[in-house]
Amino acid sequence: DAGVTQSPTHLIKTRGQQVTLRCSPKSGHDTVSWYQQALGQGPQFIFQYYEEEERQRGNFPDRFSGHQFPNYSSELNVNALLLGDSALYLCASSLGGIGDTQYFGPGTRLTVL
Amino acid sequence: DQQVKQNSPSLSVQEGRISILNCDYTNSMFDYFLWYKKYPAEGPTFLISISSIKDKNEDGRFTVFLNKSAKHLSLHIVPSQPGDSAVYFCAASALGGNTPLVFGKGTRLSVIA
Repeated sequence: DAGVTQSPTHLIKTRGQQVTLRCSPKSGHDTVSWYQQALGQGPQFIFQYYEEEERQRGNFPDRFSGHQFPNYSSELNVNALLLGDSALYLCASSLGGIGDTQYFGPGTRLTVL
Repeated sequence: DQQVKQNSPSLSVQEGRISILNCDYTNSMFDYFLWYKKYPAEGPTFLISISSIKDKNEDGRFTVFLNKSAKHLSLHIVPSQPGDSAVYFCAASALGGNTPLVFGKGTRLSVIA
């Protein structure tokens, strides 16, 4: 049973560019959440997708957007990249119900130069 | 304003002894708490959770204690093993666990053989 997978593993972009990160949830999971982890910090919630809609959103600007596909996989898009967007981006999947644990993928390391 | 605090950035423990990792929270709405372990270049791995209706939950070598009046939880690892060396994150959420997780900054545990 495959766990949560993310691609790519690493990515280098320059300021002003756009980036798309991808996530496939654990088999049977229908909810995907995205987190940003800056160096020396804990993960910070970006947004959560359920039934192809953004269900909740954290304190991130509109430059951060996402999408969920019918097969429950998800994309995170970041426009107009800033140096401060350099971080580890984590995807977590879970079942849609209350009380279910979120399971994380290995993350995508984004470096903005 | 950090709602989940892990005040010890690092902890060293001898193999076979007990490791105690602490976490404090400020938001009274939090009712579900989790501990994740993170190795370098991997995503956080779920370890153990506890609902606010309990004050203790045990899973093998791992036990989490919750003191709601003090808004404090702790993770006990007994006996500690070298493979337990990792960064441990405390996380909290409201409404049962599938809502956004709020993480602490983590504690780096080193278990010395």
